[in-house]
Amino acid sequence: EAGVAQSPRYKIIEKRQSVAFWCNPISGHATLYWYQQILGQGPKLLIQFQNNGVVDDSQLPKDRFSAERLKGVDSTLKIQPAKLEDSAVYLCASSLGTGTGGMGQYFGPGTRLTVL
Amino acid sequence: DQQVKQNSPSLSVQEGRISILNCDYTNSMFDYFLWYKKYPAEGPTFLISISSIKDKNEDGRFTVFLNKSAKHLSLHIVPSQPGDSAVYFCAATQTYGGATNKLIFGTGTLLAVQP
Repeated sequence: EAGVAQSPRYKIIEKRQSVAFWCNPISGHATLYWYQQILGQGPKLLIQFQNNGVVDDSQLPKDRFSAERLKGVDSTLKIQPAKLEDSAVYLCASSLGTGTGGMGQYFGPGTRLTVL
Repeated sequence: DQQVKQNSPSLSVQEGRISILNCDYTNSMFDYFLWYKKYPAEGPTFLISISSIKDKNEDGRFTVFLNKSAKHLSLHIVPSQPGDSAVYFCAATQTYGGATNKLIFGTGTLLAVQP
């Protein structure tokens, strides 16, 4: 079974530039998550999709971050414009549903973003 | 507000000995707890979990203990192996009441198992 795919793996940009990350979840997984992991901290949920609808985006900085999951499969997370404090690893995860207590969340390898 | 805390940033143990990783939480609404393991340049992978109705769950070399009154859980690895060297994250979630099972992670503990 193929895992969660993410690209790019690494990205370096200047502040105020824009950047986009792509995630392809495990086939059949209805729920998709984007996490931000700042160095020295645990992953923090940014947004959760159930199919192509948003379940929770309470911690997404909506003035600069946006995410979409068209057709309920792939997802894109965008930052525009980027700030220095956005430097982090962005993790995508997927699960069959939401009622799994977290056990069924499978994580991708992440995209490491450096903002200069 | 750090709802899940791992106060030890790192831990070093000898191969064959026991590793004990600790985690504290503040939110009494959490009813499910998980441990994830993370190698460099990889995403976290699920290791073991425990429901709040239990005080112990065992899976091979890994055992998780939950003390609800103290809001504390721990992960025991016996015997520790060099391949266990990784960052371990504690996470908690609320599963009842139609909650979305959002995971709240601790800051992680880097375990180094010395051969």
